Amino acid sequence: DADVTQTPRNRITKTGKRIMLECSQTKGHDRMYWYRQDPGLGLRLIYYSFDVKDINKGEISDGYSVSRQAQAKFSLSLESAIPNQTALYFCATARRGTDTQYFGPGTRLTVL
Amino acid sequence: RKEVEQDPGPFNVPEGATVAFNCTYSNSASQSFFWYRQDCRKEPKLLMSVYSSGNEDGRFTAQLNRASQYISLLIRDSKLSDSATYLCVVRGPTGGGNKLTFGTGTQLKVEL
Repeated sequence: DADVTQTPRNRITKTGKRIMLECSQTKGHDRMYWYRQDPGLGLRLIYYSFDVKDINKGEISDGYSVSRQAQAKFSLSLESAIPNQTALYFCATARRGTDTQYFGPGTRLTVL
Repeated sequence: RKEVEQDPGPFNVPEGATVAFNCTYSNSASQSFFWYRQDCRKEPKLLMSVYSSGNEDGRFTAQLNRASQYISLLIRDSKLSDSATYLCVVRGPTGGGNKLTFGTGTQLKVEL
């Protein structure tokens, strides 16, 4: 079984819809991250969390919100999706005090 | 100037060739350096950390030049399975949340 899982793996939605992406991990890591990846732009950090209820904005947090209600789960919400949020979204985890991040398989989101 | 810059490639090389990728970073206070590998439509995975003294892992050698703010990755005896995108990754100064900054990646295609 994968240590970091993301659901859904693929999603097509319409402009204005609310959507939630889920991330779960069995690695017991404290730190969790949400990134988006766009062609030519690389991975960009949206939000990160160092512990339950701890939330920090990343480079591109506008239009997104997150929730960390449990150590193993970190969810990303798009309150009102827009087409330029079409991207590949990755969740990642890391153990406190280390730099290595472990990525989930990604969610491909298309906003029409 | 981008925080982490890489030549996007693609680098097309024959099997058995030696290939080198370069990366520059803009923040001289950056603390840690890594190479990640990303296969098409898959999640990034840590390939190796990069140390000031240089380090080797099998066919892969990484070098760091702090004075020039330059990181390199050398792959010897290229295999077809080395075909992927290689991401240069930098961790910022301590106190910045240990966030990682990803380059846009260099694409490698190893051919028969």
